[in-house]
Amino acid sequence: AQKVTQAQTEISVVEKEDVTLDCVYETRDTTYYLFWYKQPPSGELVFLIRRNSFDEQNEISGRYSWNFQKSTSSFNFTITASQVVDSAVYFCALSEAWGAAGNKLTFGGGTRVLVKP
Amino acid sequence: GAGVSQSPSNKVTEKGKDVELRCDPISGHTALYWYRQSLGQGLEFLIYFQGNSAPDKSGLPSDRFSAERTGGSVSTLTIQRTQQEDSAVYLCASSSLGSGEQFFGPGTRLTVL
Repeated sequence: AQKVTQAQTEISVVEKEDVTLDCVYETRDTTYYLFWYKQPPSGELVFLIRRNSFDEQNEISGRYSWNFQKSTSSFNFTITASQVVDSAVYFCALSEAWGAAGNKLTFGGGTRVLVKP
Repeated sequence: GAGVSQSPSNKVTEKGKDVELRCDPISGHTALYWYRQSLGQGLEFLIYFQGNSAPDKSGLPSDRFSAERTGGSVSTLTIQRTQQEDSAVYLCASSSLGSGEQFFGPGTRLTVL
């Protein structure tokens, strides 16, 4: 069975601080996808990134960066120089790569990020 | 439309009534997923469609829940004899075959009184 754990339920920072969100996963699959989604107060889930299990290169997109470490089953997400607009709930998720159930997502519990001005 | 749409956006019903929730996926997306987001259970998978077939219904919580998809497009999630524990936001997502990336709709907030 797959499992995703986001140990931090809520993080509060002051604008311009960096914030790192932890994500640890469990799966028996050898090939899988990892995701991060953002859920702002409006409620709609917004896709941020997908990472294949065979690609351990870290990725940077603007102020966002992701650190994938297969050895520790972690896929952490850092927001650099946070802004008030980053305030949201962030979900880490996992799916099989070639499952019969398509790519159904197993979500972590989410981390609420509050960025204060 | 450009994105996934869901209707209604809000639904308030009385315990014991049946409800239907609708999802319009992105045009051309063959895969469609239903999820539920509730305070107690977080975000959980309900059912997956590939075309009009549902290879995985393992997340449906009980036989009061059913879903169908017609024409490889619109999907309807039906909850019969609603209970208070059914109160949640029901999210629909779609993706193109093999892409792995799911695009989510705005959700339907269901409140069972």
